Amino acid sequence: EVQLVQSGAEVKKPGESLKISCKGSGYSFTSYWIGWVRQMPGKGLEWMGIIYPGDSDTRYSPSFQGQVTISADKSISTAYLQWSSLKASDTAMYYCARPSVAGTFDYWGQGTLVTVSS
Amino acid sequence: DIQMTQSPSSLSASVGDRVTITCQASQDISNYLNWYQQKPGKAPKLLIYDASNLETGVPSRFSGSGSGTDFTFTISSLQPEDIATYYCQQYDNLPRFTFGPGTKVDIK
Repeated sequence: EVQLVQSGAEVKKPGESLKISCKGSGYSFTSYWIGWVRQMPGKGLEWMGIIYPGDSDTRYSPSFQGQVTISADKSISTAYLQWSSLKASDTAMYYCARPSVAGTFDYWGQGTLVTVSS
Repeated sequence: DIQMTQSPSSLSASVGDRVTITCQASQDISNYLNWYQQKPGKAPKLLIYDASNLETGVPSRFSGSGSGTDFTFTISSLQPEDIATYYCQQYDNLPRFTFGPGTKVDIK
């Protein structure tokens, strides 16, 4: 069974750094892209970027380029989303999701709630 | 980047009503369009892929159509459990994706 299990909720202060994770299981982790999706409170889904763990090829939405870093450690089947300096506007639910070969996000993590507040 | 629009942004309908949502792409995306349902506090769920194909296990009252720039998502007979927000998503330029802004559906 394919599963994506994300790390737990985080409460951080502005300016702090953060790295959240998404562990894949039940499939060949290095053979599928893994993407990240942001959902701000009461708002819609925003595609942030994606990584191919097999060779670490990474693409970002222009809206998120330079704002976050996506990485992966294929030895432990885990993808990461990282901030170097959080802002209050980063408060959101973040989902990892695995697209099929055909471009559908058929598997999703449970979401990680990030709250940034002074 | 390809932009997606959806209309309406929200709607209220009665149980048993036919509900239609439209999604428009800023350029031709062929049939590279999916529809998702998201209930409060839950991750999105794939309902329709490649514009018109019903995902396994999804009730047949859900359907999709369209190609190019204009797409339609329909619930033939709205049920109470269909209360959710619905998103279209394009994948014309893999591995880049774009979601529509969403349509919130509730019961009148």
